[in-house]
Amino acid sequence: EAGVAQSPRYKIIEKRQSVAFWCNPISGHATLYWYQQILGQGPKLLIQFQNNGVVDDSQLPKDRFSAERLKGVDSTLKIQPAKLEDSAVYLCASTYGGRNYGYTFGSGTRLTVV
Amino acid sequence: SQKIEQNSEALNIQEGKTATLTCNYTNYSPAYLQWYRQDPGRGPVFLLLIRENEKEKRKERLKVTFDTTLKQSLFHITASQPADSATYLCALDHGNNRLAFGKGNQVVVIP
Repeated sequence: EAGVAQSPRYKIIEKRQSVAFWCNPISGHATLYWYQQILGQGPKLLIQFQNNGVVDDSQLPKDRFSAERLKGVDSTLKIQPAKLEDSAVYLCASTYGGRNYGYTFGSGTRLTVV
Repeated sequence: SQKIEQNSEALNIQEGKTATLTCNYTNYSPAYLQWYRQDPGRGPVFLLLIRENEKEKRKERLKVTFDTTLKQSLFHITASQPADSATYLCALDHGNNRLAFGKGNQVVVIP
């Protein structure tokens, strides 16, 4: 089966600019996650979708970050305006849901804010 | 506060030996725990899932244990190979099908 697709792979922007990331999960996976991974740290959950509804966005900095999952398939994560501390890898993951499955991650988007 | 602790120092191990990694946690009550492998520039790859009522799980050369009393999981790679060199992440069930990840522990297998 095809994996989780993410684009772009790399992005460099200046602080205060905006950026968007795109994710296409594995077909049939109802649950989609966006994680932020800062260098040397483990992934940190930003937002969780079940189909096209938000399950958990408690750690999403909502003053600058937004995410949507239209039609319960693709998802976009946006940052506006970006700060230096947003430099990280943004990982998208999907799963069937439930307690029996691991996540399938994409390769991530490496964002550098200068 | 909730913590997931993995050794920050890289584990250097001779090829053929068994690598053992530790994941300790506090203030979590996970129904299951997962281990992932992450290579540089790539997303994590799922390896194993172990439930709270399971003591041990095996998959090929990998073995995971889960002790809910000690709040600890051990991850073993037997007969390690240079291709096993990577960072290994421990992830805990955080309710509602969410995972909380540790920082990861790097393994370097020396030929």
